Amino acid sequence: GAVVSQHPSWVICKSGTSVKIECRSLDFQATTMFWYRQFPKQSLMLMATSNEGSKATYEQGVEKDKFLINHASLTLSTLTVTSAHPEDSSFYICSARGSRADEQFFGPGTRLTVL
Amino acid sequence: AQKITQTQPGMFVQEKEAVTLDCTYDTSDQSYGLFWYKQPSSGEMIFLIYQGSYDEQNATEGRYSLNFQKARKSANLVISASQLGDSAMYFCAMREGGWSQFYFGTGTSLTVIP
Repeated sequence: GAVVSQHPSWVICKSGTSVKIECRSLDFQATTMFWYRQFPKQSLMLMATSNEGSKATYEQGVEKDKFLINHASLTLSTLTVTSAHPEDSSFYICSARGSRADEQFFGPGTRLTVL
Repeated sequence: AQKITQTQPGMFVQEKEAVTLDCTYDTSDQSYGLFWYKQPSSGEMIFLIYQGSYDEQNATEGRYSLNFQKARKSANLVISASQLGDSAMYFCAMREGGWSQFYFGTGTSLTVIP
């Protein structure tokens, strides 16, 4: 089946630094990718919808300037957490829809810890 | 209003027994898809089963079956013959039509007891 990869799988950074997370569709083209954040023992919360070649659509309450999303190609979307703070520590997961209605592929997630 | 509601934060089941995880959804779309995912402690989302809104038969995948009751807007997951490895978080999700967002429920933590 199709695979979505994320890099890095985990990252620890100092408060105030920026962190970039990559999401790649390895064997299919993904015009639309989704970014989620998951806090411990909670559900996945949709942060934004990333569309190739256009601006991302952010969910209400998600700061566009803090969580920069770029979807420059059909196989790569990036999420940059700018000026990260400890409250940004979370598990970030990307997802892409496949060509069939029953296909929704998820990356393995990136665990971000901000000190 | 919540798109997906899972009312069971935690469930326990004896090994080898069956368990039903509840899920109700809310949509005005005619075309939608319902998904169940398993998330072990590693965090990866493991696809279990899919039900399309136009599918007349309940979906089945091995030990997993989906009890789809369209009029009641429910899509309960049934796991038969539970195994210790089934202990994990389970999420119900929905995609409405086209390429729109993918909504998750709050999840149910399942613990299988030996």
